[in-house]
Amino acid sequence: AQSVAQPEDQVNVAEGNPLTVKCTYSVSGNPYLFWYVQYPNRGLQFLLKYITGDNLVKGSYGFEAEFNKSQTSFHLKKPSALVSDSALYFCAVRQDNYGQNFVFGPGTRLSVLP
Amino acid sequence: KAGVTQTPRYLIKTRGQQVTLSCSPISGHRSVSWYQQTPGQGLQFLFEYFSETQRNKGNFPGRFSGRQFSNSRSEMNVSTLELGDSALYLCASSLVLGASTDTQYFGPGTRLTVL
Repeated sequence: AQSVAQPEDQVNVAEGNPLTVKCTYSVSGNPYLFWYVQYPNRGLQFLLKYITGDNLVKGSYGFEAEFNKSQTSFHLKKPSALVSDSALYFCAVRQDNYGQNFVFGPGTRLSVLP
Repeated sequence: KAGVTQTPRYLIKTRGQQVTLSCSPISGHRSVSWYQQTPGQGLQFLFEYFSETQRNKGNFPGRFSGRQFSNSRSEMNVSTLELGDSALYLCASSLVLGASTDTQYFGPGTRLTVL
């Protein structure tokens, strides 16, 4: 069975500092990993995904994520946080098997303080 | 290209009533999935439709149902509403069914409140 963990409910970071939102996963085959962001009263917006190839994936709004197979992690990063990055972030995994649905982590609330 | 649209955006119902939510996918997308989001349970998968057929189903009671039309638009229905059905219901569309690399794009959601 697939599962996703986001070990931190809340991450606080000062504006201009680097940010990391953590994600670990468990799948029985090859993982396909996604990050989404949700602003208040909005749906989820796609940020980036890892399918194969380079372990460092670049996405929207300056975000990137690093896939680490040995640690089964896919942490989201940004070199310099903005106050407008404050939102709820979801990591999701989909197993390399036709017809498998997405499994989402519980979400991490990011607060960027001015 | 227009994104995923969901109607209505907000809905208030009372216990025992039924409700129908609508989702229009991105043009050309043929797969539609539905999720329930609550503070306690997070994002939970309801079901996925492709070519007017339910292809995948989450662990929800039979009161939750859905359908997809030939133009890929989808509706979900909840009958005999319970207080615990209060949630944000999200629809997501993707290009094809079940391709693990395919990205799901989400609509803004329908906020259902059951009184």
